[in-house]
Amino acid sequence: QVHLQESGPRLVKPSETLSLTCSVSGISTIGYYWNWIRQSPVKGLEWIGYIFHTGSSRYNPSVRSRATVSLDTSKNQFTLRLTSVTAADTAVYYCAKWREGANAFDVWGLGTLVTVSS
Amino acid sequence: EVVLTQSPGTLSLSPGEGATLSCRASQSVPNTYLNWYQHKPGRAPRLLIYNVATRATGIPDRFSGSGSGTDFTLTISRLEPEDFAVYYCQQYGTAPVTFGGGTKVEIK
Repeated sequence: QVHLQESGPRLVKPSETLSLTCSVSGISTIGYYWNWIRQSPVKGLEWIGYIFHTGSSRYNPSVRSRATVSLDTSKNQFTLRLTSVTAADTAVYYCAKWREGANAFDVWGLGTLVTVSS
Repeated sequence: EVVLTQSPGTLSLSPGEGATLSCRASQSVPNTYLNWYQHKPGRAPRLLIYNVATRATGIPDRFSGSGSGTDFTLTISRLEPEDFAVYYCQQYGTAPVTFGGGTKVEIK
């Protein structure tokens, strides 16, 4: 069974960098698209970006200049870095696996609330 | 980007009743890339329906999806106690991926 688990600091100061890790179990990270999605009361669910094992990545224009998703296949985990955060980046952050063919997110983590505050 | 508008915001129903949830797109969703998810508090979101009408693995047949173009529907034929949750539609016909605002199905 595929399982995803987010981890990282729950509180980040404004202007600093948010960093989260998603640990993947039950499947190799090779061959799949790994995504970050966030949810806030203001914006609802918002796709942030993905990474493929080849290094190919794509981002939502809303965060493109600030977001980086990277993959460590040896540790079977991927990370999100979001720079220059503001209160608007306060959200529950989910990692999710993309299923090709279905063109859908078929496995999600439980999510982790990250608050941006001084 | 494609804006997905879900209605109603909240649906108050009793177990055994049927539910009809709507998802309307601001522009046509090509290639039937419209999906539905169920989300319960404290749980990971779960894929229910992909490509408009295909049930994901393990999803009971009381859940069905339909629609095309800009109008899509998730139907739950007879609500079971475990079906009370928030439901989201999501499209990938046009980048970036976008989600609807959700419909909460609550116990009346």
